[in-house]
Amino acid sequence: DIQMTQSPSTLSASVGDRVTITCRASQSISSWLAWYQQKPGKAPKVLISKASDLESGVPSRFSGSGSGTEFTLTISSLQPDDFATYYCQQYNTYYTFGQGTKLEIK
Amino acid sequence: QVQLQESGPGLVKPSETLSLTCTVSGGSISSYYWSWIRQPAGKGLEWIGRMYVSGSTLYNPSLQSRVTMSVDTSKNQFSLKLKSVTAADTAVYYCAADGGGGPFDPWGQGTLVTVSS
Repeated sequence: DIQMTQSPSTLSASVGDRVTITCRASQSISSWLAWYQQKPGKAPKVLISKASDLESGVPSRFSGSGSGTEFTLTISSLQPDDFATYYCQQYNTYYTFGQGTKLEIK
Repeated sequence: QVQLQESGPGLVKPSETLSLTCTVSGGSISSYYWSWIRQPAGKGLEWIGRMYVSGSTLYNPSLQSRVTMSVDTSKNQFSLKLKSVTAADTAVYYCAADGGGGPFDPWGQGTLVTVSS
């Protein structure tokens, strides 16, 4: 099984801050990684696929990078709508999600 | 624009079988791979399994012995059966699409299934 580990589990930040969330895979997944945003009571929404491809309609303040086993999601300037939980997901072998990072207002 | 809607009982007794259906609208069920994903309250996401209209399936190894997925192309629906449920199977269950080994998009709104006597 490929395990996905996100850090931090919780992140407190303010509007306008630049934030980075890290995701590590237990073995190489090439670039087969997606990032999702989930708000309470809603289904996750895909933000980024293939580690760095921004999905249509997703604001350009979101960016992804990495390959192999280390990946990052960066939000360049936090907006009020960005406070949510973020998940990484590998789709190299089966599908596995990270445990999530809750982005809170400081 | 493909849309997904889950349906099924919200309450299942322990040791019984959980059965859910996902109805696909706005597109062909033959155009995607179809997955089930679940999320216990306050916890993370767990992929359950994936299938294609050909009948080919891929299940999470941790759930494989209890999971069956099937498709009804005439109704544009696919289904999940999870047998011998326990309280640990209580979760919001989502159906979702992927284009073939890719990220999940779109998702259904999710349906809460509680396992309790």
